[in-house]
Amino acid sequence: ILNVEQSPQSLHVQEGDSTNFTCSFPSSNFYALHWYRWETAKSPEALFVMTLNGDEKKKGRISATLNTKEGYSYLYIKGSQPEDSATYLCAFWPLPGGTSYGKLTFGQGTILTVHP
Amino acid sequence: DTGVSQNPRHKITKRGQNVTFRCDPISEHNRLYWYRQTLGQGPEFLTYFQNEAQLEKSRLLSDRFSAERPKGSFSTLEIQRTEQGDSAMYLCASSLELGPQHFGDGTRLSIL
Repeated sequence: ILNVEQSPQSLHVQEGDSTNFTCSFPSSNFYALHWYRWETAKSPEALFVMTLNGDEKKKGRISATLNTKEGYSYLYIKGSQPEDSATYLCAFWPLPGGTSYGKLTFGQGTILTVHP
Repeated sequence: DTGVSQNPRHKITKRGQNVTFRCDPISEHNRLYWYRQTLGQGPEFLTYFQNEAQLEKSRLLSDRFSAERPKGSFSTLEIQRTEQGDSAMYLCASSLELGPQHFGDGTRLSIL
């Protein structure tokens, strides 16, 4: 059973604050880490697919870093806006050949609420 | 923009009834996934298809659950003899090989 943990479970910030949250995953058999944003009443939307240790990806005010050796990824939001309010999910994809290959294992998500 | 489409959006049924959900993936995507999501949890893997072949099925999936993707296009997920514990959001996603997954809006199942 793969363990993918996200922290914190929920976060309340004020508009304009910068924030970050963590995803930890198994450091062995790493293939890829996905980040998704899930807004209420919508479907999850892919933010990043990260594959290389030390990778840093950016999309507007959102960026993510990856450390595969220690098994964690950070998601950063700079200058949070109310429209950033959503659940942020990370998901781990193991290397081919193992029993879990082919499927993503999701964390439980971090619920972000940005107050105007 | 034709994304992933799921039907129905909501299904309310009595315990013991059978239900079937449909997922239409993005047309060029060869992989199709089914997930279940309950309150406070991330999506939980149920099964996935590469083209028409069902390549993996979660051990959490009882024999009451079956999924098909007959022509490698749309997929159906059937739950027989529904139980209270089956109440959840059922999500479908598709991808091209191991790329990012594109999700549908889900089917919310409520068992009375």
